[in-house]
Amino acid sequence: KAGVTQTPRYLIKTRGQQVTLSCSPISGHRSVSWYQQTPEQGLQFLFEYFSETQRNKGNFPGRFSGRQFSNSRSEMNVSTLELGDSALYLCASSSRQGLAGNTIYFGEGSWLTVV
Amino acid sequence: AQRVTQPEKLLSVFKGAPVELKCNYSYSGSPELFWYVQYSRQRLQLLLRHISRESIKGFTADLNKGETSFHLKKPFAQEEDSAMYYCALKEAAGNKLTFGGGTRVLVKP
Repeated sequence: KAGVTQTPRYLIKTRGQQVTLSCSPISGHRSVSWYQQTPEQGLQFLFEYFSETQRNKGNFPGRFSGRQFSNSRSEMNVSTLELGDSALYLCASSSRQGLAGNTIYFGEGSWLTVV
Repeated sequence: AQRVTQPEKLLSVFKGAPVELKCNYSYSGSPELFWYVQYSRQRLQLLLRHISRESIKGFTADLNKGETSFHLKKPFAQEEDSAMYYCALKEAAGNKLTFGGGTRVLVKP
């Protein structure tokens, strides 16, 4: 079974631009979450989607948004990029939502550099 | 709000020595606790979770609700244990994980 797949793996953007990152969850998984990982702040939760609905949101500005499609694939978008948005963005998927014993699997991440 | 604290940023031990990674949490409800590991150039992967009470790769972790801790232990460290370890807490509802800052473990030969 293929793991969580994220594209693109690496990208460089200029301040002020916007970026879209894509995530394909493990087949059959309906829950997708996004995290930002930086050396300074560590791993921080961005948002979670389940069955195309946002179920939870972290403390990030409105420039960060996401969506989930009917096939459970998800995208996240960052508009008006700032230098501080440079980070590894991780996608995670799970088959169920909230139940104990639920395993959450992570992708390899998308490395975003803002210059 | 929930919080996870890993007080050690770096743990350096010799091969065959015991290793213990500390994790403390604050959460008002009944959390689910996990340890994730990230080996060099690999994705974050689940090592173990408190509800399973199992030993994975020789690692064990016990949830102590009185001390709100979930320390990770291994009696004899191996060089292949060198990695970044993250303690994480999941609320009862949803799949949001709150991570600690991570502990880098370096096992010297």
